[in-house]
Amino acid sequence: RKEVEQDPGPFNVPEGATVAFNCTYSNSASQSFFWYRQDCRKEPKLLMSVYSSGNEDGRFTAQLNRASQYISLLIRDSKLSDSATYLCVVNDFGNEKLTFGTGTRLTIIP
Amino acid sequence: NAGVTQTPKFRILKIGQSMTLQCTQDMNHNYMYWYRQDPGMGLKLIYYSVGAGITDKGEVPNGYNVSRSTTEDFPLRLELAAPSQTSVYFCASGVAGGWTDTQYFGPGTRLTVL
Repeated sequence: RKEVEQDPGPFNVPEGATVAFNCTYSNSASQSFFWYRQDCRKEPKLLMSVYSSGNEDGRFTAQLNRASQYISLLIRDSKLSDSATYLCVVNDFGNEKLTFGTGTRLTIIP
Repeated sequence: NAGVTQTPKFRILKIGQSMTLQCTQDMNHNYMYWYRQDPGMGLKLIYYSVGAGITDKGEVPNGYNVSRSTTEDFPLRLELAAPSQTSVYFCASGVAGGWTDTQYFGPGTRLTVL
């Protein structure tokens, strides 16, 4: 089983719609969780960290479910500029290294 | 403040050639990382460093070497290039390691080995 698994997509979603991605992780000792965004042929950039209580940043909401070992990302009122690949990233306590999922590709359709 | 810079942006190598991918950060970060990203695959950690003079292997270190003589620079050396090393290489840096801090990525080097 992969350490971090994501549905690769692609998700083709009309502008203004709400879209959600899930990501599962295999190590129950994982402590830190992030969503990164990667535009085509560009470097990954942090979108948001995921906190135990869930957190929101504008149109983006991240949730963590430790019991089921998954994190989610919800995008409301999607914009054309949201088209990108979204990477789920997990780290274990005290580990200097991040584990990246393969990413979920999202295309927002006008 | 340029962040993380990488050179070159693109390179084509012949099988058996060697090269060094340069990475420099100006944020005074202790932690630096080298990843490779193959099409449709996630980022794979090649090597990382927790400070000047300290390096360690990641998930896919074979065929690569690194050094960290200064806080700012973390070059990646490819010896005897092989087609399997065709990939996009990203360098990243961070303050406190992975679990509490963002990693900042350079723009990447696209390497093709023919």
